[in-house]
Amino acid sequence: AQSVTQPDIHITVSEGASLELRCNYSYGATPYLFWYVQSPGQGLQLLLKYFSGDTLVQGIKGFEAEFKRSQSSFNLRKPSVHWSDAAEYFCAVGGTGRRALTFGSGTRLQVQP
Amino acid sequence: GAGVSQSPSNKVTEKGKDVELRCDPISGHTALYWYRQSLGQGLEFLIYFQGNSAPDKSGLPSDRFSAERTGGSVSTLTIQRTQQEDSAVYLCASSSGGGFGDEQFFGPGTRLTVL
Repeated sequence: AQSVTQPDIHITVSEGASLELRCNYSYGATPYLFWYVQSPGQGLQLLLKYFSGDTLVQGIKGFEAEFKRSQSSFNLRKPSVHWSDAAEYFCAVGGTGRRALTFGSGTRLQVQP
Repeated sequence: GAGVSQSPSNKVTEKGKDVELRCDPISGHTALYWYRQSLGQGLEFLIYFQGNSAPDKSGLPSDRFSAERTGGSVSTLTIQRTQQEDSAVYLCASSSGGGFGDEQFFGPGTRLTVL
């Protein structure tokens, strides 16, 4: 069965600093990979997704992620974090026999002024 | 246009009572998903509907949980004889198709508290 691991439960960065959120997946074939963000009191919003092709994908709000098959990773990055980026971030994998996504447990991002 | 809506936004119930949670997907979306988000956990898949096909119920944790989707639109998740471990945020999502890569649009969730 597929699984997603987000090793960092909580990350704190200073505003303007760079950010990298880690995601590792377990899946037998090439997966469909997603990053979602959940702001307080709001639903999940898709940041970006990867299916095939260029392994570096660009998303909304200045985020990008890189698919590395050899490391089974799909890390999310942003060069300069804004205070409004404080939220919980979820990595998810799809593309199995089941249409539903498998989510990681999330990483909560705190941004210091 | 309108997004996915869920009602109620909050529900407090007593152990042993039945509850119904409602989801209105985006108009025209044929796929509908229910997930559960427990405190400090990721999202756990519950059930998936696609058009008129039989639903994928593989994620339902027990036979106390059931869901239906009427007319290919609105869905209701029912939890019978609620237990304290059922306390969680229940999220509904819809997508335009049932493809693996289709973006799922999420509602704001229903926070269920079982006392």
